[in-house]
Amino acid sequence: DAGVTQSPTHLIKTRGQQVTLRCSPKSGHDTVSWYQQALGQGPQFIFQYYEEEERQRGNFPDRFSGHQFPNYSSELNVNALLLGDSALYLCASSRDPLARDSPDTQYFGPGTRLTVL
Amino acid sequence: GIQVEQSPPDLILQEGANSTLRCNFSDSVNNLQWFHQNPWGQLINLFYIPSGTKQNGRLSATTVATERYSLLYISSSQTTDSGVYFCAVERSNQFYFGTGTSLTVIP
Repeated sequence: DAGVTQSPTHLIKTRGQQVTLRCSPKSGHDTVSWYQQALGQGPQFIFQYYEEEERQRGNFPDRFSGHQFPNYSSELNVNALLLGDSALYLCASSRDPLARDSPDTQYFGPGTRLTVL
Repeated sequence: GIQVEQSPPDLILQEGANSTLRCNFSDSVNNLQWFHQNPWGQLINLFYIPSGTKQNGRLSATTVATERYSLLYISSSQTTDSGVYFCAVERSNQFYFGTGTSLTVIP
């Protein structure tokens, strides 16, 4: 049973560029959430996708956008990169309707480390 | 949003010692999870515990939702327990993480 996977593992971009990060959820999960984790801090919620729609959004500018595909995989896009966007980007999947115990448990992928120069 | 405070921020233990990590949150929540982040950044799910008590080996957790706190107990600590422990809460599909407790277990 594959867990949550993310690609790429590392990425280096320059200011002003655009980046796309990818996430495949754990088997059986239909909900994907994205987080940004700066060095030394806790993850910050960016948004959540369910049924191919953005269901909830944290306090992030419109430069951060996403997409969910019919197979439940998801992309995070960041436009006009700033130095401050350098962080570990984490994807979590959840909501297995067949899990009687704790169906909303979030499982995290290994993350994509983005460096903006 | 919901404020999540974790204490202590840093903890150094001798191998074999016990510890208690605390998570306070500012409002009612639907869900609460505890995670361990290893040195490579991977967040490992420890407990899904919006209320009550659960145990898994040397770890146990208790959430008292009415008083808005949760506790994570680590017994007989091992060097592999080192890392950062996060508490995360959810309400209305919005998720909030604490700032974490950094645990170092020395042999």
